[in-house]
Amino acid sequence: QKEVEQNSGPLSVPEGAIASLNCTYSDRGSQSFFWYRQYSGKSPELIMSIYSNGDKEDGRFTAQLNKASQYVSLLIRDSQPSDSATYLCAVQYNNNDMRFGAGTRLTVKP
Amino acid sequence: GAVVSQHPSRVICKSGTSVKIECRSLDFQATTMFWYRQFPKQSLMLMATSNEGSKATYEQGVEKDKFLINHASLTLSTLTVTSAHPEDSSFYICSASAGPEAFFGQGTRLTVV
Repeated sequence: QKEVEQNSGPLSVPEGAIASLNCTYSDRGSQSFFWYRQYSGKSPELIMSIYSNGDKEDGRFTAQLNKASQYVSLLIRDSQPSDSATYLCAVQYNNNDMRFGAGTRLTVKP
Repeated sequence: GAVVSQHPSRVICKSGTSVKIECRSLDFQATTMFWYRQFPKQSLMLMATSNEGSKATYEQGVEKDKFLINHASLTLSTLTVTSAHPEDSSFYICSASAGPEAFFGQGTRLTVV
């Protein structure tokens, strides 16, 4: 069974703080990892992709991947109220199989 | 990122009728398209995966005869909800992929009355 696990939250952080979102996956054959952001009533939007161990930074976002621990995380620095959304972790096993976690709801309080 | 267009964005239909939802990749050729359903405050549920020119692969518990998927070209996939019932009311979302990354359409909110 290919599973992707996330804490459902809600995760609440004050404006300007660092939000840390975590995800674990079950299949060691996983190749690609993604973070999507979904605002209420909208479809998911790709914000980060990561394929190799280590950190990948893009603006205020940093994705971290540890394949040995089967763990991927997303850090959001200087969190803004506009970052309030549900963040979905996605794990791709091959081009035909991408699995999503249940999502973590993040609230950034002004 | 790449653009995926989904149409219609909202549809209301009567119970027993069929509804077709289109998903188009506008600026790339999508070798794989995914169809999801999402109920309020719940996670995405993968319904099926389709590759151009071949039959869709449905997830366990998803009725093939009720949710017809056609992926006739590298830029278009359609989902037809046949004989819709109120319990089929949901947010249906497609995504399209030509490589590791997948991009989502805007979603279709289906209400069956």
